[in-house]
Amino acid sequence: AQSVTQLGSHVSVSEGALVLLRCNYSSSVPPYLFWYVQYPNQGLQLLLKYTTGATLVKGINGFEAEFKKSETSFHLTKPSAHMSDAAEYFCAVSTNVGNEKLTFGTGTRLTIIP
Amino acid sequence: DAGVIQSPRHEVTEMGQEVTLRCKPISGHDYLFWYRQTMMRGLELLIYFNNNVPIDDSGMPEDRFSAKMPNASFSTLKIQPSEPRDSAVYFCASRRTPVGPQETQYFGPGTRLLVL
Repeated sequence: AQSVTQLGSHVSVSEGALVLLRCNYSSSVPPYLFWYVQYPNQGLQLLLKYTTGATLVKGINGFEAEFKKSETSFHLTKPSAHMSDAAEYFCAVSTNVGNEKLTFGTGTRLTIIP
Repeated sequence: DAGVIQSPRHEVTEMGQEVTLRCKPISGHDYLFWYRQTMMRGLELLIYFNNNVPIDDSGMPEDRFSAKMPNASFSTLKIQPSEPRDSAVYFCASRRTPVGPQETQYFGPGTRLLVL
């Protein structure tokens, strides 16, 4: 079975400050990991994903995440927060090509302070 | 491409009524997923289809829920009879058969359901 834990249901950062959203996963086999963003009253949009290869993954809007197997983590970062980054962020995991299910974390709401 | 289309965007109904949610996947996508999002339980997968065939419905909460995909461009999620605890946002997502590791799921805007 696979699971995802997102630490911190709410995170607030000042505009221009570093954004760090935490995600830890549990999986008995090598995972595929995803970050999705949800803006108010919209569906989820893929920010980035890790499948194989380079462990530092770059996504849209300046976000990146690093897969750390030893820490079972896939934290999302952005060097400088922008007001438009205010949204809810979801980490998700699946395990292989044959497994079509994504298991989502409970989400982290990011607030940007002007 | 228009993306995944869901209708209606908002639905308010009374307990006991039948509710039908609709989804049009992205053209060429052969997987379709139905999710439910609530504050208490987060985002849950209800059911998914491959080539119009239901593959896994283990997330469907109970017999009041049913889903169909009569063709590659249309799917419905029906709740009959509806209950207040069914109030949630229901998302549809679609994707292609993966050529490499994991194809991205594309989500629709969701249907916000309120059962009074």
